[in-house]
Amino acid sequence: QVQLQESGPGLVKPSETLSLTCTVSGGSSSNYYWTWIRQPPGEGLEWIGYIYYSGTTNYNPSLKSRVTISMGTSKNQFSLKLNSVTTADTAVYYCARVGGTTKFYFDSWGQGTPVTVSS
Amino acid sequence: EIVMTQSPATLSVSPGERATLSCRASQSVNSNLAWYHQKPGQAPRLLIYGASTRATGVPARFSGSGSGTEFTLTISSLQSEDFAVYYCQQYNAWLGITFGPGTKVDIK
Repeated sequence: QVQLQESGPGLVKPSETLSLTCTVSGGSSSNYYWTWIRQPPGEGLEWIGYIYYSGTTNYNPSLKSRVTISMGTSKNQFSLKLNSVTTADTAVYYCARVGGTTKFYFDSWGQGTPVTVSS
Repeated sequence: EIVMTQSPATLSVSPGERATLSCRASQSVNSNLAWYHQKPGQAPRLLIYGASTRATGVPARFSGSGSGTEFTLTISSLQSEDFAVYYCQQYNAWLGITFGPGTKVDIK
């Protein structure tokens, strides 16, 4: 059974870059899409973007200018970079696997990692 | 962007009772609709995809229906572990991926 684990700094200063990594275990990253989703405190879920194992990406238009998702060199990791952060980017960040070939529902999730943007 | 709405915002139900949750899309998403539930402090869990297909390991008391713009999640007999927030999500990917605001199911 595939497992996902987010890692990265829990505190980021305003205007800096948020960087997170998701490590995939118990399965191959090949032939799957992988995604990042976030949830501000007390709010709902927001899709950030996804990446195919080959490197193809698609981003939420509202975040596209600030987001980069990339695969790691080992291919069992993928990462998120969000630049020029503000307090509005404070959230729990989840990585997840896309369950279908081109059907973008999310069947396996990491536990989530909280990120606070504050000086 | 496709906007998802859910109703009601909160649903109070007694254990053993039936719960019906609604989700509406601002334009047709065909059957590209998923349902999740989320308990406090946990990640969401996939329940239904393709509007009506139960995910692996999901009990048969959960069922989904609908297509186009109107969708329903029904829990036939609520168990204690079902009290949570429920989100719908559309994945008509070329038009973006969006979630509804959620329905909280709590104990009556």
